[in-house]
Amino acid sequence: SQKIEQNSEALNIQEGKTATLTCNYTNYSPAYLQWYRQDPGRGPVFLLLIRENEKEKRKERLKVTFDTTLKQSLFHITASQPADSATYLCALRFGASKIIFGSGTRLSIRP
Amino acid sequence: DAGVIQSPRHEVTEMGQEVTLRCKPISGHNSLFWYRQTMMRGLELLIYFNNNVPIDDSGMPEDRFSAKMPNASFSTLKIQPSEPRDSAVYFCASSFRVAFRTSGEANTGELFFGEGSRLTVL
Repeated sequence: SQKIEQNSEALNIQEGKTATLTCNYTNYSPAYLQWYRQDPGRGPVFLLLIRENEKEKRKERLKVTFDTTLKQSLFHITASQPADSATYLCALRFGASKIIFGSGTRLSIRP
Repeated sequence: DAGVIQSPRHEVTEMGQEVTLRCKPISGHNSLFWYRQTMMRGLELLIYFNNNVPIDDSGMPEDRFSAKMPNASFSTLKIQPSEPRDSAVYFCASSFRVAFRTSGEANTGELFFGEGSRLTVL
């Protein structure tokens, strides 16, 4: 069956450091991998997409890598700020529509 | 556009009662998704529609759950009868349906979520 693991439930780091979140998957051949941010009491918000034939994607302070051999994606936030504190979810897209989410990593950035 | 609109935002009901959650997707989007989120199980896909047609309902927990999309601008998720274990936040999301592996950069297939409906079944 399809399984996605984000192997840290929570991550606490110092402001200014780089936060690195991990997403692993099994039994999949996803066409895309997406990362979302979710704040308490709100719905998830899309951040970045990376395709199966791309190794790395950047957007401002965010960087995502996608290793289809390891079946892993890494999500980096550089120069982290307290405002980056949230839950981050990875999601795999299969075919044209089906999207499955990981359990999320709760990131806390302390001043 | 106002985004994906869900109602009610909060619902408290007693076990055995019927619950209907409603969703209005973003105009022009042709895929609609229902998810359920709990602390224990995270964000689970229940069902999704393409062009108002249910494509995959394998995530629907049991026959007590049903979903409909009578037109492109409205969908419902119904639980009958409700049970305490159904307590969760239910999210509706919509997106453009992307062409498989041929989508251009302009179409990321991203999901746009509503604010969710928090259901408590006593």
